[in-house]
Amino acid sequence: AQKVTQAQTEISVVEKEDVTLDCVYETRDTTYYLFWYKQPPSGELVFLIRRNSFDEQNEISGRYSWNFQKSTSSFNFTITASQVVDSAVYFCALSEAGSNTGKLIFGQGTTLQVKP
Amino acid sequence: EPEVTQTPSHQVTQMGQEVILRCVPISNHLYFYWYRQILGQKVEFLVSFYNNEISEKSEIFDDQFSVERPDGSNFTLKIRSTKLEDSAMYFCASSEGTVSQETQYFGPGTRLLVL
Repeated sequence: AQKVTQAQTEISVVEKEDVTLDCVYETRDTTYYLFWYKQPPSGELVFLIRRNSFDEQNEISGRYSWNFQKSTSSFNFTITASQVVDSAVYFCALSEAGSNTGKLIFGQGTTLQVKP
Repeated sequence: EPEVTQTPSHQVTQMGQEVILRCVPISNHLYFYWYRQILGQKVEFLVSFYNNEISEKSEIFDDQFSVERPDGSNFTLKIRSTKLEDSAMYFCASSEGTVSQETQYFGPGTRLLVL
């Protein structure tokens, strides 16, 4: 069965600290896709990244980086030098290739609070 | 930049009433979705729609729910007889395709409150 677990419910850091948000997934498919979305206080869901299961290269985009490790079924997200504007709920999500519809299975989300 | 839009942003209704939530997906997208998020909880898949028919639906999407693409641009979610537990944020999403599990882009959501 497919499942996404974000064990950290809430994280609070002080501005400029680095922070890592954990995501562990379960799937029986060999081909799958992983996503991170950001939900700021205004409520919308903002796409951050998509990775497929065959691409384990870590990715960096500005202050954001992602560490994908198939061996531990994890897809962790690190924010370097956090800023107050990073305060949001962050969701990790999984889509299985076996699901022809592309539906997303979301984790519970991690609320990140960055204090000035 | 193209966006998914949703109307209304907020809707308050009485239990038992019908509501229709509207979405305009990104114009060249072919796959459409509805998700919901009960306050403080995770985002849950409701239904996917392609080629004018439902391609998958979750257990949540019972007979009280229906979706429609009445014209070339709108995609609607109808709740026939709302219940208190239908109170949630409803998100519409669209993607170009699913062959390579294309990215789904979400609208800003409709917050539904059932009294």
